[in-house]
Amino acid sequence: SQTIHQWPATLVQPVGSPLSLECTVEGTSNPNLYWYRQAAGRGLQLLFYSVGIGQISSEVPQNLSASRPQDRQFILSSKKLLLSDSGFYLCAWSAPRGYANYGYTFGSGTRLTVV
Amino acid sequence: GENVGLHLPTLSVQEGDNSIINCAYSNSASDYFIWYKQESGKGPQFIIDIRSNMDKRQGQRVTVLLNKTVKHLSLQIAATQPGDSAVYFCAENMKTTNTGNQFYFGTGTSLTVIP
Repeated sequence: SQTIHQWPATLVQPVGSPLSLECTVEGTSNPNLYWYRQAAGRGLQLLFYSVGIGQISSEVPQNLSASRPQDRQFILSSKKLLLSDSGFYLCAWSAPRGYANYGYTFGSGTRLTVV
Repeated sequence: GENVGLHLPTLSVQEGDNSIINCAYSNSASDYFIWYKQESGKGPQFIIDIRSNMDKRQGQRVTVLLNKTVKHLSLQIAATQPGDSAVYFCAENMKTTNTGNQFYFGTGTSLTVIP
């Protein structure tokens, strides 16, 4: 069965420090991968998505970047965090074209607090 | 774009009562819809889905209704329990690209069950 792992679960970082959040998927090949951010009491904001190694699409201009160095690995990064980067970050995967429409499977999330 | 900046609508119900959560979707061409449940501090979890060739689908204690005429989706939870307290998101399949499906998430509704 497919599983998605996201870490760390919580993170407190000072303003101006770098960020690296990692997400890996097991049990599937060539997944579509997504990074979402969720502010407290708000909806889901799509940040990045990837349909293959090295292929990243950005939905919102921001202080963050994403990379996909391996088929089932998706990394969210920042060189210098801002206070406004605080939030709940979610990684998700979905099946590529040709599979049934099973939607997204989300990771457990990372609570980032920038202080 | 996604309504990520809005505060979540809230719904409070008594334990044992039925809950109805509503969602208006935007694209008349969407052909696949999913309801997700997100408990506090966790990633959203799949509850139930429905395709556009159906107007009703039932699961265990949950029913999804689809009204394509008015682009409306609802989730009914029977005999609501305290464990049902969570944020509920609807998602519509906005487009099927040559690489897979992309979903648009609604604002979300926060359900609180009163014991």
